Amino acid sequence: AQKVTQAQTEISVVEKEDVTLDCVYETRDTTYYLFWYKQPPSGELVFLIRRNSFDEQNEISGRYSWNFQKSTSSFNFTITASQVVDSAVYFCALGGGGADGLTFGKGTHLIIQP
Amino acid sequence: DAGITQSPRHKVTETGTPVTLRCHQTENHRYMYWYRQDPGHGLRLIHYSYGVKDTDKGEVSDGYSVSRSKTEDFLLTLESATSSQTSVYFCAISEVGTNNQPQHFGDGTRLSIL
Repeated sequence: AQKVTQAQTEISVVEKEDVTLDCVYETRDTTYYLFWYKQPPSGELVFLIRRNSFDEQNEISGRYSWNFQKSTSSFNFTITASQVVDSAVYFCALGGGGADGLTFGKGTHLIIQP
Repeated sequence: DAGITQSPRHKVTETGTPVTLRCHQTENHRYMYWYRQDPGHGLRLIHYSYGVKDTDKGEVSDGYSVSRSKTEDFLLTLESATSSQTSVYFCAISEVGTNNQPQHFGDGTRLSIL
């Protein structure tokens, strides 16, 4: 069975601080995919990034960066110089090699205070 | 934005009544999914479809049935709604048959069972 753990239920920081959201996963699959989704207060789910199990290269997109480490089964997400618009619930998710859906973590509620 | 429409967006109904939620897509994607989102649980997979008339159960399928008679429509039915099925329901679509591609989500249906 697959499992995703987001141990941080809620994080509150002041604007412009850097913040890291943790994600730890469990799977027996050798091929798997990791995702991050953002859910702003309006409620929709916005895809941020996908990473496959064979690509441990870290990725940076503007103020966002992701650190994938197979050795620790982690896929952490860092926001640099946070902004109020980053306030949202962030979900980490895991998918196997098939098309049978994703396993989500419980989410981390990120609050950026002005 | 992916062309996904969920209807209704909000619904309040009584225990014991049947309820059908609709997910309509204009992307001609083969794979469609129903998730529910509850506080403290993240998103959990209810059912998914890998083609017309091809469906399978997810993690929390008890009390739900689905049907897919056309590529563009995926229906979720609660035969006899219970208060435990009060939740926000999300439909998702995916183009290819592996989790190598991200799922894109509809805007959700907020369902209250009184």
